Order: sequence, then C-alpha cells, then structure tokens
Amino acid sequence: DSGVTQTPKHLITATGQRVTLRCSPRSGDLSVYWYQQSLDQGLQFLIQYYNGEERAKGNILERFSAQQFPDLHSELNLSSLELGDSALYFCASSVIAGTSGGTQYFGPGTRLTVL
Amino acid sequence: GDSVTQMEGPVTLSEEAFLTINCTYTATGYPSLFWYVQYPGEGLQLLLKATKADDKGSNKGFEATYRKETTSFHLEKGSVQVSDSAVYFCGLNQLANQAGTALIFGKGTTLSVSS
Repeated sequence: DSGVTQTPKHLITATGQRVTLRCSPRSGDLSVYWYQQSLDQGLQFLIQYYNGEERAKGNILERFSAQQFPDLHSELNLSSLELGDSALYFCASSVIAGTSGGTQYFGPGTRLTVL
Repeated sequence: GDSVTQMEGPVTLSEEAFLTINCTYTATGYPSLFWYVQYPGEGLQLLLKATKADDKGSNKGFEATYRKETTSFHLEKGSVQVSDSAVYFCGLNQLANQAGTALIFGKGTTLSVSS
C-alpha cells in the first residue's frame, strides 16, 4: 500500500458526460501528479500540482482539468467524454516538486470506461 | 522531447532464469532514471532508481546501472521467480521547468515466469 488513495475504483459513463476523479496523496506529500494509462498511448503524464498550484503540464487535453485543494487532495475533471478517453487514470504523490530525483508514489488507479 | 524506449515483450522465462530488460533514453540534461513494476490489478510500485551517471540502483535482487555514455538503464535479475511476473516500466524524471517535474515512461515490458 503506497498511501495514495483514489476514488472511485471503477467508473462507467456515456459519451458526452463529465466525471470527477479524486486523489488523496500520502500524508506529508505536497505534490500530486496525474497519469493516463491506455493500450495505445501507454502511460502518459498529464499534470502536476504542488501545494495548490499547477507546476507542470503534459499531454492533457483541453477537455480535462485538475485542481489541488487546501487539504492537498486533488481532483481530475474529464468533460465531453469520448470513447478514446477510456483508460486507467493514476494519481501519484511526492514530498516536493522541482527535483528530478524525488520518488513518486502511485495510487491504485481509477478505471474509466466510456460507452 | 525526452523519451524512453524499452524492449518489447512479452518476455517469457522459466523460474531461476536470468532476466534482462533493455531500456534506453533520450533526454537533455541529466535526468533521474527509474524502474517501476505493475502487478496485475495494481498501481505502479517503485522498484529502483538512480539519480546520476554510474549509479547502480538495486532492490529485491533487481539491478540497473545508469550508463550515460550509452544512455541506457537496463534491468537485470540473476534468478527470476514466478512472483516476479508483472509489467515493468522504465522511466525518467526530468525537470519540466524550475518548479515542476514529469515522469516519462516507456511502453512497459510484460514478464511472465513459469515454474
């Protein structure tokens, strides 16, 4: 158990809908990362937050957005969902940002299925 | 941009065989290098890491050496067990800017060990 929690574990929805994925980082970790894992794209970095502020952005679609709240939990919002958004979404956390040597600890993931 | 290339799987071995999973990277600067493992139905777990050239990361019998001259970080284990069956991801962590970082992963290599 990494100490990172994600809810829900599974999510099934329809095209055009909007969903919210939630992540709670390990105790003491200030930085949260979101990743998408799909069969065709592999594991891709989406976005990073540190202590409530966006710090780095990867291949995140404009239909997707995220935020980190004062209690440090983070939410990833996915809107106007398409079939291709079906994937496993991971959250990870680390103590600090801005250093390449820091270890990221991953949650168990949320499996999103868009029908 | 930065990228990681792993040998394609699946890799199928008998118990106690020697394992090598090749990983090479392309990056500017001096990234940290990681191997993560994903067991079925679970999130990613850090297996080992190396933060500078010639560093050797090791854990649970697995080893990998950061080779700057060949831009490689190959994963090895002298004697695999059935319990090592999983998907292995090579990754690099590069400073995306002065404040953020991004983990870039290879596509993953599936290892299947039979008794």
